[in-house]
Amino acid sequence: GEKVEQHESTLSVREGDSAVINCTYTDTASSYFPWYKQEAGKSLHFVIDIRSNVDRKQSQRLIVLLDKKAKRFSLHITATQPEDSAIYFCAASTGYQNFYFGKGTSLTVIP
Amino acid sequence: GALVYQYPRRTICKSGTSMRMECQAVGFQATSVAWYRQSPQKTFELIALSTVNSAIKYEQNFTQEKFPISHPNLSFSSMTVLNAYLEDRGLYLCGARTGYEQYFGPGTRLTVL
Repeated sequence: GEKVEQHESTLSVREGDSAVINCTYTDTASSYFPWYKQEAGKSLHFVIDIRSNVDRKQSQRLIVLLDKKAKRFSLHITATQPEDSAIYFCAASTGYQNFYFGKGTSLTVIP
Repeated sequence: GALVYQYPRRTICKSGTSMRMECQAVGFQATSVAWYRQSPQKTFELIALSTVNSAIKYEQNFTQEKFPISHPNLSFSSMTVLNAYLEDRGLYLCGARTGYEQYFGPGTRLTVL
């Protein structure tokens, strides 16, 4: 089955800098790549997603890049703010099947 | 809008006992419902996936005998953790899917004493 690797388990950046979280996947059939945020003690909150028909998507300060050849996708958070601090999970899906999650990246934005 | 409710939000049970949790999708037609578990310090593992017109499919390491799921319609699903032990503690998430998007409930946090 699909395996999703999330490379950074922890990440610290200064407020205003950019944060980048990288994920790789194994199943070439995966076509949908969402990102979720989890704050302490809470559930998953949808952040942004990208489908395999594009290689870049931006929503305000969030940018997702997808490299299908390398089976790699990444989340870029620009102009970080302290409230961006949370655990971020990447996931991959073949479109209509279940999601496979990465292990999560704990992001700390230092004021 | 699309919402997924889960009940209870938190529960405590004694080791060896069972507890049931519920999930309801509101405001959209769910084509599949998935149950996930996040154990302490870990990621979200898929327990089982239920799709329209298909049997419930359990992932490796999870069985129907341990995590029976009732799914009378795609808007409502319940799962029981039978004979719960310490390793079953964690956050249980229900995800209801329509098309590509999956909407997650707030989760049921299970503590086992």
